[in-house]
Amino acid sequence: GAVVSQHPSRVICKSGTSVKIECRSLDFQATTMFWYRQFPKQSLMLMATSNEGSKATYEQGVEKDKFLINHASLTLSTLTVTSAHPEDSSFYICSATKYSTGTQETQYFGPGTRLLVL
Amino acid sequence: GESVGLHLPTLSVQEGDNSIINCAYSNSASDYFIWYKQESGKGPQFIIDIRSNMDKRQGQRVTVLLNKTVKHLSLQIAATQPGDSAVYFCAENNEETSGSRLTFGEGTQLTVNP
Repeated sequence: GAVVSQHPSRVICKSGTSVKIECRSLDFQATTMFWYRQFPKQSLMLMATSNEGSKATYEQGVEKDKFLINHASLTLSTLTVTSAHPEDSSFYICSATKYSTGTQETQYFGPGTRLLVL
Repeated sequence: GESVGLHLPTLSVQEGDNSIINCAYSNSASDYFIWYKQESGKGPQFIIDIRSNMDKRQGQRVTVLLNKTVKHLSLQIAATQPGDSAVYFCAENNEETSGSRLTFGEGTQLTVNP
């Protein structure tokens, strides 16, 4: 299997606080993890690419100092939304790539984290 | 390309009918394509993929067709069931230039009526 988990599944916080979201690949080692953000009725927008032991690569327009990514191991990546504001309220989804010899890397997605900033 | 739309295209079908969901991709250099299913409040779930050296691939009740000439991808679902109701996204990739990065289409909301 290729299971990816996220924690928490839902979080409500006050404006100005920081929130940490964890993404874990449960039964495989992920070569790369990705973080996406999804607003209602819209598609997934890639925020950053995370590789274990190196700095994350952020997409254009995504503030690296606001969305801190730490990739501590081949099975864990964390996204910290610092000084969250109501406009950061969204559905945050991570994915992890599982490499199979001779085939394209497949991205497996976590269940998502619903963030609501009051 | 990436979606910035304010609403999703919708497709409504009767249970038992076949569904066809279409996707136009933007990058002619993309060589790998995937269809994902996303149910409300959940993450995307892999359905089927296809490489650019193929024009058709079949899975269980699903078929993906690729037309590179017009940069068009379609997902056919046979004998659609209520459990198929979800948003369906196509995604494209060029491993040589983008690694594993995917670009998602805008998505289509499929509603299956009993």
